[in-house]
Amino acid sequence: QVQLQQSGPGLVKPSQTLSLTCVISGDSVSNNRAAWNWVRQSPSRGLEWLGRTYYRSKWYNDYAVSVKSRIIFNPDTSKNQFSLQLNSVTPADTAVYYCASGAGTMDVWGKGTTVTVSS
Amino acid sequence: QAGLTQPPSVSKALRQTATLTCTGNSNNVVDGGVAWLQQHQGHPPKLLSYRNNNRPSGISERFSASRSGNTASLTITGLQPEDEADYYCSAWDSSLSAWVFGGGTKLTVL
Repeated sequence: QVQLQQSGPGLVKPSQTLSLTCVISGDSVSNNRAAWNWVRQSPSRGLEWLGRTYYRSKWYNDYAVSVKSRIIFNPDTSKNQFSLQLNSVTPADTAVYYCASGAGTMDVWGKGTTVTVSS
Repeated sequence: QAGLTQPPSVSKALRQTATLTCTGNSNNVVDGGVAWLQQHQGHPPKLLSYRNNNRPSGISERFSASRSGNTASLTITGLQPEDEADYYCSAWDSSLSAWVFGGGTKLTVL
């Protein structure tokens, strides 16, 4: 049974970098059928897919257009985890952030991390 | 901004049947197949069905999904109090190369 354990700070200052990590148990981040996603949810934007990282003989990243210039994903095979870095955050990035995984869908979700961008 | 369109709210009586809809286009609902997610307040979304009508293990047969043209539907039979939740549809959009979501439907069980 795949489980995702999220960690990261709940408060980030404007213009700084938001960093979250999702630790995988019950699967491998190098699984060549799964994709590892980040999704956020806010009252104003609803559920918003931020992107995914996946391994198919090499690593691929797909990013949502809305955050493409500010986002980086880092899969870490040694720790079996993947992380999100969102640069130059503003209050509009305040949301609950989820990691989610699956093969062709998102069937496993982390519990979510509430991130507030405020000085 | 939601890529798929869902009605904001639906209310149905206990033990009745609710049908929730999700409208998209040929690049997402038709091409990608629709997944349905249930979310209770304060909890992460939970996958109910994927690629139109495949249920993950452990999901009740009371939940069934279908698609007609650009509109996908989730039918919930024998409504129970615990079915009161927000329901979201999602699909892979081949033109955007991105997952898109609906704005969600709040289901109230009367």
